[in-house]
Amino acid sequence: DQQVKQNSPSLSVQEGRISILNCDYTNSMFDYFLWYKKYPAEGPTFLISISSIKDKNEDGRFTVFLNKSAKHLSLHIVPSQPGDSAVYFCAASHSRLTFGEGTQLTVNP
Amino acid sequence: DVKVTQSSRYLVKRTGEKVFLECVQDMDHENMFWYRQDPGLGLRLIYFSYDVKMKEKGDIPEGYSVSREKKERFSLILESASTNQTSMYLCASSFSRVDSGNTIYFGEGSWLTVV
Repeated sequence: DQQVKQNSPSLSVQEGRISILNCDYTNSMFDYFLWYKKYPAEGPTFLISISSIKDKNEDGRFTVFLNKSAKHLSLHIVPSQPGDSAVYFCAASHSRLTFGEGTQLTVNP
Repeated sequence: DVKVTQSSRYLVKRTGEKVFLECVQDMDHENMFWYRQDPGLGLRLIYFSYDVKMKEKGDIPEGYSVSREKKERFSLILESASTNQTSMYLCASSFSRVDSGNTIYFGEGSWLTVV
């Protein structure tokens, strides 16, 4: 039972444009949502999070939006840079973290 | 900076061997975790520990065990390695429970190949 789902295995965008990564979840008990970024041969690093009582959280170029009624969250990266090319994991928290499958983002110069 | 160190980055083991993956964190974190990452499956929780000598099963504990004798060290044990355990293993730690929104910090990963 995949409680956190990232339906797009990959996404390719041009440098300077917006990247939108999506994540859906099924468990309404999740109370925090997090995004992690992973480069090859490295461990994931924390990027940004949002509490279930909010609908938006912004940190520099990164903004996370939460739509609780749709059980959907998204990560916006504006403007996208080549160094943003990585795998992005969505995660949801309720007693433990549950991760999605990941989305490979490629930002082309 | 939080440092989570996994002692072995790349290992090749034979089917049936006993395998130890070691993880040490230097931030006095209470909680430690072992995940495996596989393409298309994301990160899946194997075992976790909220205190010394305490362990709890995650989502995929079969074929694995863990040991936490000291607060800073959390070991993952494959009692009898099998080819379907070929994967990237990630250790993580956190200061407090993740259900309060605290992030976890990952090590660099251990690539295990079982032949």
